[in-house]
Amino acid sequence: SAVISQKPSRDICQRGTSLTIQCQVDSQVTMMFWYRQQPGQSLTLIATANQGSEATYESGFVIDKFPISRPNLTFSTLTVSNMSPEDSSIYLCSGSQTGDGTGELFFGEGSRLTVL
Amino acid sequence: GEDVEQSLFLSVREGDSSVINCTYTDSSSTYLYWYKQEPGAGLQLLTYIFSNMDMKQDQRLTVLLNKKDKHLSLRIADTQTGDSAIYFCAEKYAGNTPLVFGKGTRLSVIA
Repeated sequence: SAVISQKPSRDICQRGTSLTIQCQVDSQVTMMFWYRQQPGQSLTLIATANQGSEATYESGFVIDKFPISRPNLTFSTLTVSNMSPEDSSIYLCSGSQTGDGTGELFFGEGSRLTVL
Repeated sequence: GEDVEQSLFLSVREGDSSVINCTYTDSSSTYLYWYKQEPGAGLQLLTYIFSNMDMKQDQRLTVLLNKKDKHLSLRIADTQTGDSAIYFCAEKYAGNTPLVFGKGTRLSVIA
C-alpha cells in the first residue's frame, strides 16, 4: 500500500489569494487524482494529474483556476487560485499503483481550506 | 451518465448489524468500492468487489452486489461505536478512469 501526505492539512486564506497544496506519496504511483469535498457533500473529481504533461480536468474545472503539477511519480501540487469563499472545501489527493485502474485508490488526509 | 445514490443517515445500536445501501446507474461499472471517512480524516478503503461477484466477506464486513438491480450493500456485523463514520460507495470502470462517489452515509452508533 502507499501512504499519501498532504500539506498544509488546513489553512485559512483571504479572498483573492492563491494557495498551493502539496501531495507526497511514499512510493511510485501510476495515477494521481485531485478531489474536492465541499461541506456535507461527496467527493468531486477536479482533475487527473499526469506526469510530465498537462492535467486532465473534469467538466467545471479549469487550469487557470486549479493549476496542477506532477513532476514525477511520487509528487503533485494543486493550486487554488484567486480564492473566494465558495472555494472553502477539503481538497484530497489520491493515487493508484495500478496502471489499469484495478485495486485500491489511496487517499491523503486532505487539506481543509477556509476562505474568508 | 454516472450516478451513485446512498441514503444520507443511518443510526443503529451498538452490537446490532448495520446495512448501508447504494444504487448506481451505469451497468458498465466494473469495480465497486466502500470507503470509510472518520471525522477530520481522509478516506480509508474498506473493501471492494468486482462486478462478476455477488458477495464478498471480510471479517465483520459483508458486501452484496445485485448487478441486475444495480444495488450494492455493506453489512457491518456487531457494530461498534468506532464504526461511526461516513461510508462512501464508489464505482469505476476498468482502465485509467477515476472513481465516482456517492454522497456518503453517515452512520451513528448509539451505545
